[in-house]
Amino acid sequence: AQSVAQPEDQVNVAEGNPLTVKCTYSVSGNPYLFWYVQYPNRGLQFLLKYITGDNLVKGSYGFEAEFNKSQTSFHLKKPSALVSDSALYFCAVRAPGTYKYIFGTGTRLKVLA
Amino acid sequence: NAGVTQTPKFQVLKTGQSMTLQCAQDMNHNSMYWYRQDPGMGLRLIYYSASEGTTDKGEVPNGYNVSRLNKREFSLRLESAAPSQTSVYFCASSEGAGGSEAFFGQGTRLTVV
Repeated sequence: AQSVAQPEDQVNVAEGNPLTVKCTYSVSGNPYLFWYVQYPNRGLQFLLKYITGDNLVKGSYGFEAEFNKSQTSFHLKKPSALVSDSALYFCAVRAPGTYKYIFGTGTRLKVLA
Repeated sequence: NAGVTQTPKFQVLKTGQSMTLQCAQDMNHNSMYWYRQDPGMGLRLIYYSASEGTTDKGEVPNGYNVSRLNKREFSLRLESAAPSQTSVYFCASSEGAGGSEAFFGQGTRLTVV
């Protein structure tokens, strides 16, 4: 069965500092991995995905994520956080040949000015 | 290009009432999904439709029914609403299986009293 864990309910970081939002997954086979962001009272917006190839994936708004197969992780990163990055972030996984996206419980990122 | 459109945006129901949440996408996507979002629980899949003419249960299907009316439209019906169905409901669509990302609607906030 597929599953995703986001171990931190909330991450606080000072503006200008690097940020990391953690995600680990469990899936049979090579996974497809996704990060989404949700602003208040809005739907989820796609940030980036890993399908295959380079373990470092770059996405929207300066975000990137590192795929680590041995640790079954897909952590979201940004070199320099902005106050406007404050939002709810979701990691999702999809097993090969399947249609379902399985989401984590979300991590609230708070960037402090 | 509207993407994924959900109606209504807000709804209050009394226990036992029925209603249908509507979803339409204009991206010619094959697959469509219904999720519910509850605090601390992330997004949980209710039902999905891999392609026109097919529907399958997700993690939390009890109390819901769906209809894939055509390639564009995927509706979610609550036959007899219960307070436990108070939630934010999101519709999403994707091209199909594999590494394609899902696109989300803006959500329907449903309160059952």
